Amino acid sequence: GAVVSQHPSWVICKSGTSVKIECRSLDFQATTMFWYRQFPKQSLMLMATSNEGSKATYEQGVEKDKFLINHASLTLSTLTVTSAHPEDSSFYICSAIPRDRGYNEQFFGPGTRLTVL
Amino acid sequence: GEDVEQSLFLSVREGDSSVINCTYTDSSSTYLYWYKQEPGAGLQLLTYIFSNMDMKQDQRLTVLLNKKDKHLSLRIADTQTGDSAIYFCAESFGGNNRKLIWGLGTSLAVNP
Repeated sequence: GAVVSQHPSWVICKSGTSVKIECRSLDFQATTMFWYRQFPKQSLMLMATSNEGSKATYEQGVEKDKFLINHASLTLSTLTVTSAHPEDSSFYICSAIPRDRGYNEQFFGPGTRLTVL
Repeated sequence: GEDVEQSLFLSVREGDSSVINCTYTDSSSTYLYWYKQEPGAGLQLLTYIFSNMDMKQDQRLTVLLNKKDKHLSLRIADTQTGDSAIYFCAESFGGNNRKLIWGLGTSLAVNP
């Protein structure tokens, strides 16, 4: 149980286009999901906290207009990278907390590799 | 500021014990975690320890926390080839422990 999926697993796009990444909790409901990005040989950086039915909370330095987050249901959060540029190329990872569990238990998706040409 | 450091690589023989070390700078963390990342799979929580504990054991895994030195370690007994992965140390902050600060990860290679 507690499986989180991400789609797509990898994507290549042209500079200036927008890319949407989906994060789904497959067998549980999650009121809270997190979005991270990971650059090569660097640690995971929390980008934002996605709360079902309300606005996402962004970490300092993360542009909310560039990284749009929508948590429309208890099993789906989406991250849209708008007007992507090569510097947005990274590994994006989401995690979800089951609504009946404490915050110690985050379940992670397998990640999405974004390459912007 | 908050910072978590780990050595990047560790190589052991199958059957030996592995010890992965982590140091952190902020003593106000509430929980410290070890996650495992295998290629193509999501990060898997292995174990975590509350900051007022010294040790936690779970089957082959032993976590030691030295709060005075801000040092956390993960010992894997009888290491198997399936244990080859990247291991991340992380610490959480805040009243709801939601924000995790991560190390760079230690790549463990288990040689037969």
